[in-house]
Amino acid sequence: GQQVMQIPQYQHVQEGEDFTTYCNSSTTLSNIQWYKQRPGGHPVFLIQLVKSGEVKKQKRLTFQFGEAKKNSSLHITATQTTDVGTYFCAGELAGANSKLTFGKGITLSVRP
Amino acid sequence: NAGVMQNPRHLVRRRGQEARLRCSPMKGHSHVYWYRQLPEEGLKFMVYLQKENIIDESGMPKERFSAEFPKEGPSILRIQQVVRGDSAAYFCASSPMTGLGGEAFFGQGTRLTVV
Repeated sequence: GQQVMQIPQYQHVQEGEDFTTYCNSSTTLSNIQWYKQRPGGHPVFLIQLVKSGEVKKQKRLTFQFGEAKKNSSLHITATQTTDVGTYFCAGELAGANSKLTFGKGITLSVRP
Repeated sequence: NAGVMQNPRHLVRRRGQEARLRCSPMKGHSHVYWYRQLPEEGLKFMVYLQKENIIDESGMPKERFSAEFPKEGPSILRIQQVVRGDSAAYFCASSPMTGLGGEAFFGQGTRLTVV
């Protein structure tokens, strides 16, 4: 079945450092989404990427969809303590009734 | 427009009891997902429903677990004869469609503790 992989599961950075994480799918996706979950909270939608090679920015966050639509990256410039949390990618296959499949997420901690 | 509402937020059950978790999707959303999350782990897909239909239940254990999304009322995830291993956070998410614009909106989850 479809798999969405995020490795590693944890990353620790110093405040002010940049951070990049990747998401890889075993199958071509129709779109990919990113979510953020703060400790004790629920996942919150960040962005959706649809087109091959698409790049979207949200302030210090940059999201990219790979050319083959099988991988994606999230880059955070100059991390802040407010960036802590778990970042999930979720992929959806083409076609009707396709479910969102989530990766295991990467938990980011930021040392002040 | 209220967000996705899950209740109860916390549920404690003794082994062997039944747990019923409710999820009211956002207004206008006809797609509902249920996910289970264990501490320090990711979101494990359980079931995907549209109104009155189970579309994909490949992530749901064959025994003791069932889900429904009736024409009227909330979606229900039912766990019969709970065991300690069922303790987890259960998140419901709703979306208006699949594909473009089909982002999922999550409820705050139900934290189930089996004692």
